[in-house]
Amino acid sequence: DTGVSQDPRHKITKRGQNVTFRCDPISEHNRLYWYRQTLGQGPEFLTYFQNEAQLEKSRLLSDRFSAERPKGSFSTLEIQRTEQGDSAMYLCASSWGAAEAFFGQGTRLTVV
Amino acid sequence: QQPVQSPQAVILREGEDAVINCSSSKALYSVHWYRQKHGEAPVFLMILLKGGEQKGHEKISASFNEKKQQSSLYLTASQLSYSGTYFCGTEGGANNLFFGTGTRLTVIP
Repeated sequence: DTGVSQDPRHKITKRGQNVTFRCDPISEHNRLYWYRQTLGQGPEFLTYFQNEAQLEKSRLLSDRFSAERPKGSFSTLEIQRTEQGDSAMYLCASSWGAAEAFFGQGTRLTVV
Repeated sequence: QQPVQSPQAVILREGEDAVINCSSSKALYSVHWYRQKHGEAPVFLMILLKGGEQKGHEKISASFNEKKQQSSLYLTASQLSYSGTYFCGTEGGANNLFFGTGTRLTVIP
């Protein structure tokens, strides 16, 4: 297993467009997390899955953000009607239970 | 629910020691520590579970005081490779993982 992979690594989009990111976790991991990170800040929690169930979503997250994890495998994060404030690195992490979380390399989103 | 880290930044000379603190306002089940280098993903260092245990990883160790909802990361005899931003992640009852704002550590020759 090569670890957590995210696609694409970079995305430039025009304001108002929709974007979708994909995360493939380590295969046996049941937990999957999405975070957003801006320069100089820690990873900001967005949402969390245990298997296919989305157990928590940050109250800071607007309705423009949605995430899925069909069949408890890969996950997608969609941002609708992107805004310049959405520009950030989007990180995915996975873990088995409460064990250490492994991060992907992230998707850097730039909204122009 | 975001934990608070201190200090925000620290500069060390090679061989010096440092302590990074992490505190939460919520009851904690575990504390995770990560290091992130510029342009890279956070890398796991260690996890501490309830029970006040202390763990070590070569010259990096950590403690967890669940009553005080605090954890500390100890870096001894720092090396240039220790430079980076250190984050603590805290797990409460909902099994999610929240990260602090980070401590930027710079080790100079």
